[in-house]
Amino acid sequence: SQQGEEDPQALSIQEGENATMNCSYKTSINNLQWYRQNSGRGLVHLILIRSNEREKHSGRLRVTLDTSKKSSSLLITASRAADTASYFCATDWSNDYKLSFGAGTTVTVRA
Amino acid sequence: ETGVTQSPTHLIKTRGQQVTLRCSSQSGHNTVSWYQQALGQGPQFIFQYYREEENGRGNFPPRFSGLQFPNYSSELNVNALELDDSALYLCASSETSGEEQFFGPGTRLTVL
Repeated sequence: SQQGEEDPQALSIQEGENATMNCSYKTSINNLQWYRQNSGRGLVHLILIRSNEREKHSGRLRVTLDTSKKSSSLLITASRAADTASYFCATDWSNDYKLSFGAGTTVTVRA
Repeated sequence: ETGVTQSPTHLIKTRGQQVTLRCSSQSGHNTVSWYQQALGQGPQFIFQYYREEENGRGNFPPRFSGLQFPNYSSELNVNALELDDSALYLCASSETSGEEQFFGPGTRLTVL
């Protein structure tokens, strides 16, 4: 079963705008990770946030985690055409690196 | 440093056949996980191998089996293929104590 659920399913924005997507999960986690996938190829790890962290930054990415609401958000600032991809949240709830993925958010950045 | 590689890139099989997919983990990684990703869905965990032993399994039937070799490369075998097995199969490797998984480009399997 898929632990995480992303929202929205799809997002279309203009280049330079910010993109925000959310992830909700069901059980307690050790950490939550965000991955990017271009055109049905392999996933690329973007950022990991641990259960005792509330916010994390990496370049143009900002991730928040609210364990009381069992939710996380990924913000991409100043989007570029190259950010067009599917974004997945994945939860590590067993601490055995068996990730549970959501269905993803498809982001399209228009030039 | 060599990344995760998978072979073949694409594969077409017919129902009832058997298939073997291969994965070479990133240098220094001794843990390999396999995922199945159906079209429009997120990856689903199949199983994980750590130092040649299965280290956890998802909700997949026994006709999905695997191996890990001493060099930490891995195989995924699927017997008695069904149409629903058509998917992108992803392999990911990680360090023993690492949390970030490094994914290969995937093998696209089509079952006719």
